Amino acid sequence: EAGVVQSPRYKIIEKKQPVAFWCNPISGHNTLYWYRQNLGQGPELLIRYENEEAVDDSQLPKDRFSAERLKGVDSTLKIQPAELGDSAVYLCASSNHATNEKLFFGSGTQLSVL
Amino acid sequence: DAKTTQPTSMDCAEGRAANLPCNHSTISGNEYVYWYRQIHSQGPQYIIHGLKNNETNEMASLIITEDRKSSTLILPHATLRDTAVYYCTEYNFNKFYFGSGTKLNVKP
Repeated sequence: EAGVVQSPRYKIIEKKQPVAFWCNPISGHNTLYWYRQNLGQGPELLIRYENEEAVDDSQLPKDRFSAERLKGVDSTLKIQPAELGDSAVYLCASSNHATNEKLFFGSGTQLSVL
Repeated sequence: DAKTTQPTSMDCAEGRAANLPCNHSTISGNEYVYWYRQIHSQGPQYIIHGLKNNETNEMASLIITEDRKSSTLILPHATLRDTAVYYCTEYNFNKFYFGSGTKLNVKP
């Protein structure tokens, strides 16, 4: 069974440029999460989806970040415009009730904003 | 804000048991404790979870104190491949709260 797939693996952009990250969760997982992980820190939740509905986006900086999960499967996280402080690893995870809510993470996208 | 506290780093000799402690003194009655680990350049990987009782699976054992304010993850025979950052997390209201984790260094 394929795991959570994220792309790109690495992204380098200049500040003020837009950037997008893509995530394909494990088939059948209705819950999808986007996390941000700064160097030396644990993951911090940005947004959680139940199917296509964003049920928790309280930690998402909405002035520059947006996300979508149009068909309740794969998802895109966008930053526009990027700032230097956005440099981090962006992790996608999925889960469902059948797995006792344990998270399955992708390998992440490492973003460097110059 | 992280609700768990863990030591920043620990060393363990290869083949010996690694005991990783975690304090979760503010945990409520219906919050599970989950453990994940993160090997360099990969996403976190689930290890084990529990509510009240001790748990064991093929990867590790989880010992939860009776008052549930702390727990210990036990890797019975650590190998070099167990070198990673280990996160103790609380799960409640569909959220996982990750702290900064413990960097476990398994040495030959």
